[in-house]
Amino acid sequence: EPEVTQTPSHQVTQMGQEVILRCVPISNHLYFYWYRQILGQKVEFLVSFYNNEISEKSEIFDDQFSVERPDGSNFTLKIRSTKLEDSAMYFCASSLGTGDRTDTQYFGPGTRLTVL
Amino acid sequence: AQSVAQPEDQVNVAEGNPLTVKCTYSVSGNPYLFWYVQYPNRGLQFLLKYITGDNLVKGSYGFEAEFNKSQTSFHLKKPSALVSDSALYFCAVRETATASGTYKYIFGTGTRLKVLA
Repeated sequence: EPEVTQTPSHQVTQMGQEVILRCVPISNHLYFYWYRQILGQKVEFLVSFYNNEISEKSEIFDDQFSVERPDGSNFTLKIRSTKLEDSAMYFCASSLGTGDRTDTQYFGPGTRLTVL
Repeated sequence: AQSVAQPEDQVNVAEGNPLTVKCTYSVSGNPYLFWYVQYPNRGLQFLLKYITGDNLVKGSYGFEAEFNKSQTSFHLKKPSALVSDSALYFCAVRETATASGTYKYIFGTGTRLKVLA
């Protein structure tokens, strides 16, 4: 069964450094998403992406964040200058993009980001 | 704005007993509701969804959920719990789609299910 994959599984970085989190969505999916989960808190939406454009973003997704689909398979989340409060589990998700209510998001295993 | 609430942080149940994990929702318009499960060191796995139709929705691993419009609830159930069902369960509601068709989920705070042998 096709799955969303994410690398790395765990990333440790120093405050102020740039990090890139990578995701390979399910191959025939058209909609892509990033969510994050701070330890012990709920899963929160960051951004959705379609047709090489951001479709929607949350207030968390400020100028320090960017997303890109650099080729036909990868979908990346970049944090330009990490802060301590960026420490969280980051989930990538993708969906078919049927445009109707049956569309369902499938999630990757997550990348745990630790900012020191 | 849509929201879901999971009133219990943790639910303990004996193996073989029925289990219920509660979720209530607040939406404007028709609710599109989902349950996901998170095992340790794994991502969120889709269990089931309610879009329309039958109030009892069947999903993966023997789980089902009952949609109750009058009580604005979407409780997750299983007739006979397994130790391997122990995990973190999230209820989610789908927000209105954007012009391009993407949409976001609003998640509940999660309920940790512990099935005791």
